[in-house]
Amino acid sequence: QVQLQESGPGLVRPSETLSLTCAVAGYSIRSDFYCDWIRQPPGKGPEWIGSVHHSGRTYYNPSLNSRVTISVDMSKNHFSLRLSSVTAADTAVYYCARHGANYYASGSYSYFDSWGQGTLVAVSS
Amino acid sequence: EIVLTQSPATLSLSPGERATLSCRASQSVSDYLAWYQQKPGQAPRLLIYDASNRATGIPARFSGSGSGTDFTLTISSLEPEDFAVYYCQQRSNWPLLTFGGGTKVEIK
Repeated sequence: QVQLQESGPGLVRPSETLSLTCAVAGYSIRSDFYCDWIRQPPGKGPEWIGSVHHSGRTYYNPSLNSRVTISVDMSKNHFSLRLSSVTAADTAVYYCARHGANYYASGSYSYFDSWGQGTLVAVSS
Repeated sequence: EIVLTQSPATLSLSPGERATLSCRASQSVSDYLAWYQQKPGQAPRLLIYDASNRATGIPARFSGSGSGTDFTLTISSLEPEDFAVYYCQQRSNWPLLTFGGGTKVEIK
């Protein structure tokens, strides 16, 4: 059974760096999936932040590109998010998820088929 | 960026009624579109992928249709557990993935 679990501080000060980790169980990060971070501000729809593949390929939402780093630790089967220079606009529930890496494949795994439960991160002084 | 516009924002219906939700893309996404259901305090759950295929364990009352720019999620007969928020998401424009703004299906 695939499980993803986010962890990290629930409160970050403005201008500091938000850091979260996603622990993966039930499948290997070395498999052909992207590891994703998605966030959802209170009362709004989800926003894709970015993805990392175990090969090292990373892709980020251009709206956050200059502030985001996503990395993978295969020895621990987990991946991480760092978002720098945060403001109140970064307050959201942050989810980790996965989706299949083969763009041309047809299947549910080509979408976000597994998600963590989410963790609320508030940016406030 | 492909913008997904969902309508209506809120749908007020009674259990047993049919729900029809719309998602319109700002440019063609072929059939690379999914629908998710989200209940309060939970992560979104994948319902439909590639526009019309039900994900594992999703009841047959959920169906998806459309291609190109216009898509529909239909719930044939609403069950009490179906009252939730629904989002569409496209992967056509990888590596930029986008979601719609959501439709809330509420009890009338």
